[in-house]
Amino acid sequence: KNQVEQSPQSLIILEGKNCTLQCNYTVSPFSNLRWYKQDTGRGPVSLTIMTFSENTKSNGRYTATLDADTKQSSLHITASQLSDSASYICVVSADNNNDMRFGAGTRLTVKP
Amino acid sequence: DGGITQSPKYLFRKEGQNVTLSCEQNLNHDAMYWYRQDPGQGLRLIYYSQIVNDFQKGDIAEGYSVSREKKESFPLTVTSAQKNPTAFYLCASSIAGGSHEQYFGPGTRLTVT
Repeated sequence: KNQVEQSPQSLIILEGKNCTLQCNYTVSPFSNLRWYKQDTGRGPVSLTIMTFSENTKSNGRYTATLDADTKQSSLHITASQLSDSASYICVVSADNNNDMRFGAGTRLTVKP
Repeated sequence: DGGITQSPKYLFRKEGQNVTLSCEQNLNHDAMYWYRQDPGQGLRLIYYSQIVNDFQKGDIAEGYSVSREKKESFPLTVTSAQKNPTAFYLCASSIAGGSHEQYFGPGTRLTVT
């Protein structure tokens, strides 16, 4: 069964600190993996997309990694800001149909 | 401005009433989707449409209905048959079906009492 698991469920950090969010998946055959940021009460917005051959991709202070062998991805946020407070959702797409699986998300709170 | 819009932002209904959520996009996307988001769970696909006048059931279609009469519009009706309709509903569109990036609307929070 295609699934996406994210950890931790929630995280609180101080402004300026770094953090890493994890995503494990069992989706097969793998097509791509996206990280979305969702502010409270808003729709998700794409941060990065990674395909099978990509190991690392950065978008400003956000860096995503992918290990297709172990089926794991991480999202690293450096020098966190208050505006980083949001839910971060990992989404994995299968290569053979419209199957797109969403993780439950990690709720990040950045405190001053 | 190009984008995807949903209305209203908040919607309240009495149990037993049908309610229709609006979703419009001017991105010229062929594919549109409806998701339901509940606390502690990932988004779950209700219905999707890859082309006008065609749509497919997602994982949790029971109690919902859709139409796709125009490329720009994909309204979702939550019927009285949906046992737990209170949720945050998200509409999305993509240039085509498959694994293309989906662009999400701002969502509608439906509360049924």
